[in-house]
Amino acid sequence: GESVGLHLPTLSVQEGDNSIINCAYSNSASDYFIWYKQESGKGPQFIIDIRSNMDKRQGQRVTVLLNKTVKHLSLQIAATQPGDSAVYFCAAGGFTGGGNKLTFGTGTQLKVEL
Amino acid sequence: DVKVTQSSRYLVKRTGEKVFLECVQDMDHENMFWYRQDPGLGLRLIYFSYDVKMKEKGDIPEGYSVSREKKERFSLILESASTNQTSMYLCASRSGGRRELFFGEGSRLTVL
Repeated sequence: GESVGLHLPTLSVQEGDNSIINCAYSNSASDYFIWYKQESGKGPQFIIDIRSNMDKRQGQRVTVLLNKTVKHLSLQIAATQPGDSAVYFCAAGGFTGGGNKLTFGTGTQLKVEL
Repeated sequence: DVKVTQSSRYLVKRTGEKVFLECVQDMDHENMFWYRQDPGLGLRLIYFSYDVKMKEKGDIPEGYSVSREKKERFSLILESASTNQTSMYLCASRSGGRRELFFGEGSRLTVL
């Protein structure tokens, strides 16, 4: 079945630096991908999504890159701030026989050092 | 803003007890979901519902059931709780045809 994995369980960056969080997926038929942020004690929050017919999408201080050739996507956070400390998940979605389903990765803990 | 509310943030139950986890969303979303979240395993889908009185099994439905009698409410039921059901449970909702899931704050269940 579909699997989604993140490359590093923990990432530490200095405040002000750029962060790059990576994710790999297995199902080449995935239609879209979403990045979520989960702060301690809270539910996941939507950050940004990208459709499979795109290779880059930008939001406020975030950029998602999609490389379908190697089934890899990344989340780049510019000028990382202490408030960015959280667990980041990628999810792959698609309309299969079972409906519109999301498969989540295990998450990368981003730690911002002052 | 969309609000997904889970009735209990923390619960402690004993093995064999029946457990109800309630979830309510206020945006008239058609789709609702229950996930469990465990370290190293990510979010795993237990059950989902596309409409009132409709339910579909997710990836790990064993030991769980659900109820959706009203559009805004989706309940997860553990008929006889076991220690391996100790976990964080997350409810989510989504408008039909949209991609973004909106999550509740989670219910942390401990089964002793």
